Amino acid sequence: NAGVTQTPKFRVLKTGQSMTLLCAQDMNHEYMYWYRQDPGMGLRLIHYSVGEGTTAKGEVPDGYNVSRLKKQNFLLGLESAAPSQTSVYFCASSPWTGTDTQYFGPGTRLTVL
Amino acid sequence: GIQVEQSPPDLILQEGANSTLRCNFSDSVNNLQWFHQNPWGQLINLFYIPSGTKQNGRLSATTVATERYSLLYISSSQTTDSGVYFCAVLQFFGGATNKLIFGTGTLLAVQP
Repeated sequence: NAGVTQTPKFRVLKTGQSMTLLCAQDMNHEYMYWYRQDPGMGLRLIHYSVGEGTTAKGEVPDGYNVSRLKKQNFLLGLESAAPSQTSVYFCASSPWTGTDTQYFGPGTRLTVL
Repeated sequence: GIQVEQSPPDLILQEGANSTLRCNFSDSVNNLQWFHQNPWGQLINLFYIPSGTKQNGRLSATTVATERYSLLYISSSQTTDSGVYFCAVLQFFGGATNKLIFGTGTLLAVQP
């Protein structure tokens, strides 16, 4: 049982490049989330999903897109990376409802030059 | 929106000392979690504690929801306790979910 995993762990992009971050969970959780963490701050919600095939905007969704084609995977895409998107990205999942404990992946450190 | 404040912002302890971290929140919440972010950046769930008291080894937590605060106790601290401690509260976000609102954290350094 690996829990929540994220790939890649590190990535450096040039401005304007695109990339996709993959989150996978093997706990059969319904809810999945993408957060970003900037220096000296807590995490902020980018997008979330309440089940396979669904996605919704969080508090800082601009510049990102997401997809949840399979229950166990939640993808975060950057179509045209900007330096302001330099951050650490965390994926999380929770079992049934939005009031359940959220379990976090190890994070992806992204630098946009 | 809801405000989550943590104190102290940073703390230095000698190994073996005890400490109390505090989390205040400005509105009613659905739930509260404590996390430890280790020096490698990994977020580790410590407690899911909407109310009452829980203990796990040297760590314990108490939430008094009616007074809008939570406390995290660390006893007999070890160098491996170093890192940032976050509390996060669940707030209804709309649609079918809640979101976690994170405090700004307490940076703990335990010296040998």
